[in-house]
Amino acid sequence: DQQVKQNSPSLSVQEGRISILNCDYTNSMFDYFLWYKKYPAEGPTFLISISSIKDKNEDGRFTVFLNKSAKHLSLHIVPSQPGDSAVYFCAASAIRGSNYKLTFGKGTLLTVNP
Amino acid sequence: GAGVSQSPSNKVTEKGKDVELRCDPISGHTALYWYRQSLGQGLEFLIYFQGNSAPDKSGLPSDRFSAERTGGSVSTLTIQRTQQEDSAVYLCASSTQSEFNEQFFGPGTRLTVL
Repeated sequence: DQQVKQNSPSLSVQEGRISILNCDYTNSMFDYFLWYKKYPAEGPTFLISISSIKDKNEDGRFTVFLNKSAKHLSLHIVPSQPGDSAVYFCAASAIRGSNYKLTFGKGTLLTVNP
Repeated sequence: GAGVSQSPSNKVTEKGKDVELRCDPISGHTALYWYRQSLGQGLEFLIYFQGNSAPDKSGLPSDRFSAERTGGSVSTLTIQRTQQEDSAVYLCASSTQSEFNEQFFGPGTRLTVL
């Protein structure tokens, strides 16, 4: 049973436009959420995170929104750049339960076209 | 070193052989994690170390898989009697295990079992 779901395997956007990547989760114990970016043949790189006590966290071009009632989070990239092309993974953990392992979605391949 | 390192980067082995994968975490990181990514899948949690002890081994897929960590630093993941379904990229991550739970990943070891 997949506890973290990324329903869009791929997304293609034009350079300069907004990229919106979505993620849904089912486990109500999750209280910390992260987005990772992965290039081929490299390990995932941490991008941005959000605690369940917040509904928004912003870092430069990247903003993560959390809707706890809907068990949904999204990553917005504005403006998108060709270098943002990568696989993006959503991940969740249950910090309050001292469960630090990350549960990952299957990823979304973002392609930003020049 | 500056980041998490893993060796070897690639390993090709024959079915039935044993393999050892190594992870050097970031200096000072008390928590260490092993994940694997099979083709077309997200990252799957295997095992978590806090110091040298493993409070969570729930992700190890069978008793052919084992891991140890010594000196609160280097970790080795051992797969005995490898099977073709063990073929995957094995990723190691480390963290300070704070409330932010930001895990830093190594580049991974690509294991191919023929």
